Amino acid sequence: GAGVSQTPSNKVTEKGKYVELRCDPISGHTALYWYRQSLGQGPEFLIYFQGTGAADDSGLPNDRFFAVRPEGSVSTLKIQRTERGDSAVYLCASSLKGSFHHEQYFGPGTRLTVT
Amino acid sequence: KQEVTQIPAALSVPEGENLVLNCSFTDSAIYNLQWFRQDPGKGLTSLLLIQSSQREQTSGRLNASLDKSSGRSTLYIAASQPGDSATYLCAVRQDQTGANNLFFGTGTRLTVIP
Repeated sequence: GAGVSQTPSNKVTEKGKYVELRCDPISGHTALYWYRQSLGQGPEFLIYFQGTGAADDSGLPNDRFFAVRPEGSVSTLKIQRTERGDSAVYLCASSLKGSFHHEQYFGPGTRLTVT
Repeated sequence: KQEVTQIPAALSVPEGENLVLNCSFTDSAIYNLQWFRQDPGKGLTSLLLIQSSQREQTSGRLNASLDKSSGRSTLYIAASQPGDSATYLCAVRQDQTGANNLFFGTGTRLTVIP
């Protein structure tokens, strides 16, 4: 079956602009995660959704970052007033449920470059 | 906060060699540990997942071990091939209700030379 998909695969934007990154999880997966991977680093947790609600947003770096999942499926990560330090690969993962019993499956990521 | 470290950061080996990648974590209260492979410009592919009650897992030429009490895991790759060239990441999941995210190491970049 289809895996986790993310669009766009690459996004180049100018400093100060607003961007939206989209994640389509595996069908039927209720849990969805966003991670950010900076160059040479491992992925770092940003936010976790269980259904439509953000169950844990403790990884969001500041209030310029926001994510939604209005219908409990597709999620959008939104970044306002982008800064060069936001340049990274943004990874999305989904799992059948949110408990630690369930494995996370990752998408290919969106590479964001802020110039 | 859980911290995961991987050594070495990069490794080059000739084709056919056996090799070991290391992962250590500071908080031993983990639920499981997972090894991923990441190819340039790609997402993460899960290789092996070891539950905290297990000591090792094997898949083909890959063998992962876990010593939870000492906070260490190793990934052993036998008879390496050029196609094994990639970045290998380990990640742990805390054994704690509400702790749903993975904690990742910084990865080991492996190059297998033909």
